[in-house]
Amino acid sequence: EPEVTQTPSHQVTQMGQEVILRCVPISNHLYFYWYRQILGQKVEFLVSFYNNEISEKSEIFDDQFSVERPDGSNFTLKIRSTKLEDSAMYFCASQTGHRYGYTFGSGTRLTVV
Amino acid sequence: KNQVEQSPQSLIILEGKNCTLQCNYTVSPFSNLRWYKQDTGRGPVSLTIMTFSENTKSNGRYTATLDADTKQSSLHITASQLSDSASYICVVSADSGAGSYQLTFGKGTKLSVIP
Repeated sequence: EPEVTQTPSHQVTQMGQEVILRCVPISNHLYFYWYRQILGQKVEFLVSFYNNEISEKSEIFDDQFSVERPDGSNFTLKIRSTKLEDSAMYFCASQTGHRYGYTFGSGTRLTVV
Repeated sequence: KNQVEQSPQSLIILEGKNCTLQCNYTVSPFSNLRWYKQDTGRGPVSLTIMTFSENTKSNGRYTATLDADTKQSSLHITASQLSDSASYICVVSADSGAGSYQLTFGKGTKLSVIP
């Protein structure tokens, strides 16, 4: 069964450093998403991406965040200057054009120290 | 603001027993409601998806119900197994009208099945 692949599975970074989280969505999917889950809290929407541009973003997705689909395969989330409160699991998801087709990756656990 | 509330927060049941988890939501415009199972440290895995016109949907030992009038859903697990221990998350999809479907997650019910 097709999977959404995320790398790395765990990343530790120093506060103030830039990190890039990588995702390979399912190949025929059209919409791409990033969500995050702070430990013990619910999953929160960050951003959706369609046709090479952001289609929606939440208030969490401020100027320190950016997304890219650089090569038609990878879908990346960049955090420019990490803060302690950015420590969370970050989930990538991709979706077909149909409302049902939504698949999550296994997540990247980001720890900011 | 779109919200999804779940109860109970946590639940412990004996292996083989049944249980029912509850979900209330205020999400607009409603597209569909999903139940996900999330193991610790893993991504959510879809169990069921229901649209406005569907009242019930089964997936093996999991049966979900939806009352779109009262904006309530339940997930019933039959003959629980130790491997059912996980968080069960109610997720409601809003139709942005642009083709993408933003998901609003509940906090989940942490189910522990004990021998």
